[in-house]
Amino acid sequence: DIQMTQSPASLSASLEEIVTITCQASQDIGNWLAWYQQKPGKSPQLLIHSATRLADGIPSRFSGSRSGTQYSLKISRLQVEDTGIYYCLQRYSNPWTFGGGTKLELK
Amino acid sequence: QVQLEESGPGLMQPSETLSLTCTVSGFSLTSNGVGWVRQPLGKGLVWMGTIWAGGSTNYNSAVQSRLSISRDTSKSQVFLKMNSLQPEDTGTYYCARQGVYYGLFDYWGQGVMVTVSS
Repeated sequence: DIQMTQSPASLSASLEEIVTITCQASQDIGNWLAWYQQKPGKSPQLLIHSATRLADGIPSRFSGSRSGTQYSLKISRLQVEDTGIYYCLQRYSNPWTFGGGTKLELK
Repeated sequence: QVQLEESGPGLMQPSETLSLTCTVSGFSLTSNGVGWVRQPLGKGLVWMGTIWAGGSTNYNSAVQSRLSISRDTSKSQVFLKMNSLQPEDTGTYYCARQGVYYGLFDYWGQGVMVTVSS
């Protein structure tokens, strides 16, 4: 199985701060990666697909990047509504696996 | 617009068979696949299985022996059946649409909470 090691597990940041979350894949997964945001009691929302492409309706302060098997989600200027838990997902091979999640809070 | 809605019983007994329904609108099941994802309370997301637009299925090997996913395209419904339930199957079950980009989930239902307890 492909392991998606997500870090950090939790993060506290200030308004307007730049935030970066990473997922390290245990093997090559190409661009078969997405990022999701989940708020308490809600279902996940797609932020980034194809590793680097912004999903429809998502603010441009969110961006995705890839360096080899390391994938990053960057929030350029943190806003209040960005708090929640973030997950990466690889769909390169079965079983598709999510990262462990990053809980993002405001400082 | 695209919508997915899960339904099913909230409380199950150990060893019983779980049956969930995902009713979709705004797209056709013959155009997009639908997958099921489970989230234990307070924990992360686990993909369980998917039924593709062509009707084929893929399952997570961790639950494959207990899981079956099927659909009724005329009713725009996808079904999950999982037998031999155990308390560790407790959690929120989501159905989600496979999008056009790498088949990644792009729309999710609101989820249905299932508790397995005697």
